[in-house]
Amino acid sequence: AQSVAQPEDQVNVAEGNPLTVKCTYSVSGNPYLFWYVQYPNRGLQFLLKYITGDNLVKGSYGFEAEFNKSQTSFHLKKPSALVSDSALYFCAVRDVSDKVIFGPGTSLSVIP
Amino acid sequence: GAVVSQHPSRVICKSGTSVKIECRSLDFQATTMFWYRQFPKKSLMLMATSNEGSKATYEQGVEKDKFLINHASLTLSTLTVTSAHPEDSSFYICSARDLMVLRSGAQHFGDGTRLSIL
Repeated sequence: AQSVAQPEDQVNVAEGNPLTVKCTYSVSGNPYLFWYVQYPNRGLQFLLKYITGDNLVKGSYGFEAEFNKSQTSFHLKKPSALVSDSALYFCAVRDVSDKVIFGPGTSLSVIP
Repeated sequence: GAVVSQHPSRVICKSGTSVKIECRSLDFQATTMFWYRQFPKKSLMLMATSNEGSKATYEQGVEKDKFLINHASLTLSTLTVTSAHPEDSSFYICSARDLMVLRSGAQHFGDGTRLSIL
């Protein structure tokens, strides 16, 4: 069965420092992987996706993610965190039936 | 970019009331829309897949008579919570994928509906 894991409930990082939000997945076949961000009382906003091609994917707001097939990981990164990046981040995978399965989410706090 | 409009954004009503939530794709067509439920500080739980012109597909454990879904056009899906009770209080989010975009396209999400049943 397809699944997504985000091992950290909470990530704290100082403003200006690099940030990483971790994601690992389990899927049969080629994975379609996504990152979304959610601000309080709002829906999800798409950040980036990996379908095929370059393992390093660049997305919105300066975020990028690295697809690692051998480690079945798709970690989200940003070189320099902003306070406004504080939000809930979801990793997701699309399964063979076209459903999107979300990870449990990671709350990111960027400390001024 | 693709926009999904969800309405209303917040509902507060008495127990026993039925509540309808609308999900519209504003600048694209969607044969399939998805309805999710999210509990506080939790992930999204897929409730059902809404298919234009046919019956919705419900996930295991979701009562189809409780959560009625209608997808009458390529731009509108509705979720009706029938005879709502306090345990139905939650954040409901819809999403849609552009019909013209390949399977690799991302879903576009509405801003959610906060449902509070007193």
